[in-house]
Amino acid sequence: EADIYQTPRYLVIGTGKKITLECSQTMGHDKMYWYQQDPGMELHLIHYSYGVNSTEKGDLSSESTVSRIRTEHFPLTLESARPSHTSQYLCASRNSGRAGEQYFGPGTRLTVT
Amino acid sequence: DAKTTQPNSMESNEEEPVHLPCNHSTISGTDYIHWYRQLPSQGPEYVIHGLTSNVNNRMASLAIAEDRKSSTLILHRATLRDAAVYYCILLYSSASKIIFGSGTRLSIRP
Repeated sequence: EADIYQTPRYLVIGTGKKITLECSQTMGHDKMYWYQQDPGMELHLIHYSYGVNSTEKGDLSSESTVSRIRTEHFPLTLESARPSHTSQYLCASRNSGRAGEQYFGPGTRLTVT
Repeated sequence: DAKTTQPNSMESNEEEPVHLPCNHSTISGTDYIHWYRQLPSQGPEYVIHGLTSNVNNRMASLAIAEDRKSSTLILHRATLRDAAVYYCILLYSSASKIIFGSGTRLSIRP
């Protein structure tokens, strides 16, 4: 059972609002990830982190930002939400030194009106 | 990064075995072969991984060709709950990130 949590699960918000999507894991994993996925489409990596104070942009350009101040916490922020940000956002984590077994959270479904 | 090729979709009957193929002709010696699946409206979940030898776990079996240029995920007795998108991914042991392709969408007929 994966101990990785995302809040909120669903969010409907107006254009221009600042939002933060929360992601926490209690497995002590050093690597954490954010993926974006539209319905029926591929998963795209938008941000990842190797550990505290380390963040990198993923393969898909995103207007969001992330921070990693604590091992267990990897929030994603949109300073000014737009309808094009409407999507599902999935957080994941895994341990270094293991060839796989990445664990995913339940996702946040964001709708920007 | 070495790439994988999977069929876009497959169909199978309930309670029958399913063989999901994956080609990875440019695999390197340090690449592990991983399979994940994504059930409808959920995040992906790990299924199985292997390096050279065939692997079995409670979810599935992984058969790896001798030259490692292809592999097959085997679901021994498909159920309706196995309907999902299955991703075959190559990952070297110290890889920083997992990139998901388009996978194979598996449908199960009752």
